[in-house]
Amino acid sequence: GNSVTQMEGPVTLSEEAFLTINCTYTATGYPSLFWYVQYPGEGLQLLLKATKADDKGSNKGFEATYRKETTSFHLEKGSVQVSDSAVYFCALPNSGYALNFGKGTSLLVTP
Amino acid sequence: DAGVIQSPRHEVTEMGQEVTLRCKPISGHDYLFWYRQTMMRGLELLIYFNNNVPIDDSGMPEDRFSAKMPNASFSTLKIQPSEPRDSAVYFCASSFSYWGQGNSLGANVLTFGAGSRLTVL
Repeated sequence: GNSVTQMEGPVTLSEEAFLTINCTYTATGYPSLFWYVQYPGEGLQLLLKATKADDKGSNKGFEATYRKETTSFHLEKGSVQVSDSAVYFCALPNSGYALNFGKGTSLLVTP
Repeated sequence: DAGVIQSPRHEVTEMGQEVTLRCKPISGHDYLFWYRQTMMRGLELLIYFNNNVPIDDSGMPEDRFSAKMPNASFSTLKIQPSEPRDSAVYFCASSFSYWGQGNSLGANVLTFGAGSRLTVL
């Protein structure tokens, strides 16, 4: 079935550093791809998505480009803030309407 | 809208007891999902419903787990009897499927509740 693999954390960065969290996928066809974020004590919330190859999803300074050649959807941000500290999940649809999530990557941004 | 509402937020119980987790999805959403989150296994899909009908329950661990959706605004996840290995955060999520360009565009955009943290002693 469809699955994603994302880099292990935790990732610790200083404020204003550049962020990359790697995500690769295995899927039948070209499904939509998603990044969700989970802040401490909260449920997951959609950060961004891309619905077809070469699409770039963006939100709150985060970006990810759907690359079918490398089956990747890496999350990037040019300058992280302390408030970006959270767990980030890459996801894609399973055979139905549910999502399969990666294991999550914990990000800690220090002042 | 108040979002997806789950209760209780925290539950501590003893092994063998019955546990019932509740979820109120966003009004108008036609899909409802139950996920379980643990450090070891990450986020696992347990079951999901479409228009109150269970579509895929292959993720339900065993017969001790059951889920119902008696109407569009309420769902329960029940564990009976509970065991320590059931300790986890249980999330409910809902979504709305709408069609455009020949595809279902919204069904995979899930809105999560804050979760129910279950501890079984």
